[in-house]
Parts: sequence; structure tokens; C-alpha cells
Amino acid sequence: AQRVTQPEKLLSVFKGAPVELKCNYSYSGSPELFWYVQYSRQRLQLLLRHISRESIKGFTADLNKGETSFHLKKPFAQEEDSAMYYCALSPEGYGGSQGNLIFGKGTKLSVKP
Amino acid sequence: KAGVTQTPRYLIKTRGQQVTLSCSPISGHRSVSWYQQTPGQGLQFLFEYFSETQRNKGNFPGRFSGRQFSNSRSEMNVSTLELGDSALYLCASNTGVEQFFGPGTRLTVL
Repeated sequence: AQRVTQPEKLLSVFKGAPVELKCNYSYSGSPELFWYVQYSRQRLQLLLRHISRESIKGFTADLNKGETSFHLKKPFAQEEDSAMYYCALSPEGYGGSQGNLIFGKGTKLSVKP
Repeated sequence: KAGVTQTPRYLIKTRGQQVTLSCSPISGHRSVSWYQQTPGQGLQFLFEYFSETQRNKGNFPGRFSGRQFSNSRSEMNVSTLELGDSALYLCASNTGVEQFFGPGTRLTVL
């Protein structure tokens, strides 16, 4: 079964420390993976897609097919990074509809001053 | 462009009633998705519509239904409400690359 697992419900780091939000997936084929973020009192929004290989707000995520992981990383956390982060997978893979995402349960990142 | 709008924002119903939620996507977007968000199950996909046709459906009972109109606006309906249907219902407007989410409708079933 296709599944996304985020093992940490809460991750707390100090400002300036590195942060890694873990995401593991279960999927056969070429997955299309995303990170979505929800800041306090804001809507859920796309942070980055693995296919674009971008760095957004200093965050990067590398797809590791061998470990079936798509961890989100940032070398130096900022207080404004505090938010809820969701890893998501498109069950139709690359090129298919992206409108039926499978989400992990999310990790709440708290960056302390 | 205006963002995704959902109405109503809050709703209280009793068991056995039915409810209709509405979503207006971003202008020009033809695909709309619906998700249910609960503390226990997280975000779960309900259905996706594209050009008035249901393109995908999640694993929810038949009490959950939806439709899309020619102007891309979408509605979802839940009949015979159960306590477990209490949730935040999110609508997303899709480009094929990114989903833009609405603020959600908070449904409480008493």
C-alpha cells in the first residue's frame, strides 16, 4: 500500500541549529513527492517538490530511493521556520494528476530563540 | 488573483443530518480536490474533480459525494452525518504542479 510516514510529531531545535524533518514513503515506481507547510493561522501551502530540485527558504529535500526517504533539511533554522510540515506523495507518480495526494501526519517544528 | 474560498467556514450539525460544503477555486483552475483533516487520521483525500468529472476518489463511504459545476466551483455533500465526520474539510485548487488550499470548513457534528 502507498503510504507516507513522518516519524516525529514534534521537533524542537534552537535558532541557528540544523534541522532535518524525516519522511519515509512506500511506493512502487517513480514517486512524485512534496513538502507542504502550514504556518500559524495560514493556509497549507507548497514548500517544495522533489522534481524541481529547488531550495526554498533555505530548505532542501533529497529523494533517496534506496531508503525510500525524502527528508527535509535546513542547515540553520530560523524562528520563522516554526510551522507544521507535511510530506506528501502523488500515487500517480511523475506526470500524473497531483490532485490526490497522500499526506503524512505532519511534524510540528518549533525553533526556539 | 483571489485565492481559494470555502463556505461556510464553520458549521454545526446533528447526527443524521446532511451538509453541503462549497469551494470556489482560483480563477482559471479546472481541478478541485477535497480533503478531510482530523487529529487522528490527519489529511485524507476525499475526491478530485476536473472539468466537471470525478477523476479520483478516496476511500470514504458513499455518504460522501461531490460535484463540480461548469464554472469549476465544487460542492461536497455528506449525508446521514456521524459524530466521526467532525473534521476540517479542505478544498484545493490544482494546477497539475501545485495545490492551493482554501481555509477549510470546520464541521462539528453533535
